[in-house]
Amino acid sequence: EAGVAQSPRYKIIEKRQSVAFWCNPISGHATLYWYQQILGQGPKLLIQFQNNGVVDDSQLPKDRFSAERLKGVDSTLKIQPAKLEDSAVYLCASRLPGTGAHNEQFFGPGTRLTVL
Amino acid sequence: AQSVTQLDSQVPVFEEAPVELRCNYSSSVSVYLFWYVQYPNQGLQLLLKYLSGSTLVKGINGFEAEFNKSQTSFHLRKPSVHISDTAEYFCAVTSYSSASKIIFGSGTRLSIRP
Repeated sequence: EAGVAQSPRYKIIEKRQSVAFWCNPISGHATLYWYQQILGQGPKLLIQFQNNGVVDDSQLPKDRFSAERLKGVDSTLKIQPAKLEDSAVYLCASRLPGTGAHNEQFFGPGTRLTVL
Repeated sequence: AQSVTQLDSQVPVFEEAPVELRCNYSSSVSVYLFWYVQYPNQGLQLLLKYLSGSTLVKGINGFEAEFNKSQTSFHLRKPSVHISDTAEYFCAVTSYSSASKIIFGSGTRLSIRP
């Protein structure tokens, strides 16, 4: 079974530039998450999708971050414009549909963003 | 709301020695607890989880954890570590009603010395 795919793996940009990350979840996983992991910290949930609908985006900085999952499969996360404090690893995870909070989320390898 | 505290940011141990990584949580409702491992430049992988029942939970790679409700702890243990266990370990919590939102601790870096 293929895992969660993310691209690019690494990205270096200057502040005020824009950047986009892509995630392809495990086939059949209706629930998709984006996390931000700042160096030395645990992952923090940015947004959760159920199919193509947003379940929770309470911690997404909506003035600069946006995410979409138009067809309920792949997802993109965009930052526009980027700030220095956005330097982090952005993790995508997915989970089977119709299962409870205790079921496993499968994580991709992440995209490491450096903002100069 | 839930929170997780990992008391040690780094734990150095010698190969084949036992190790314990400490985790305490806070919640006003019943919770599920998890330990994840993150190898360098990789995503997180589930080690084990506590849902209910037996308080001693066994996971992959020889790890186990014990849920202690009175101490609000979920410490991770391994009786004998290997070089390959070098990684970052994250304790995490979610509640029955949180719609699968997981709160992660800040992580403990386990470094194994030969």
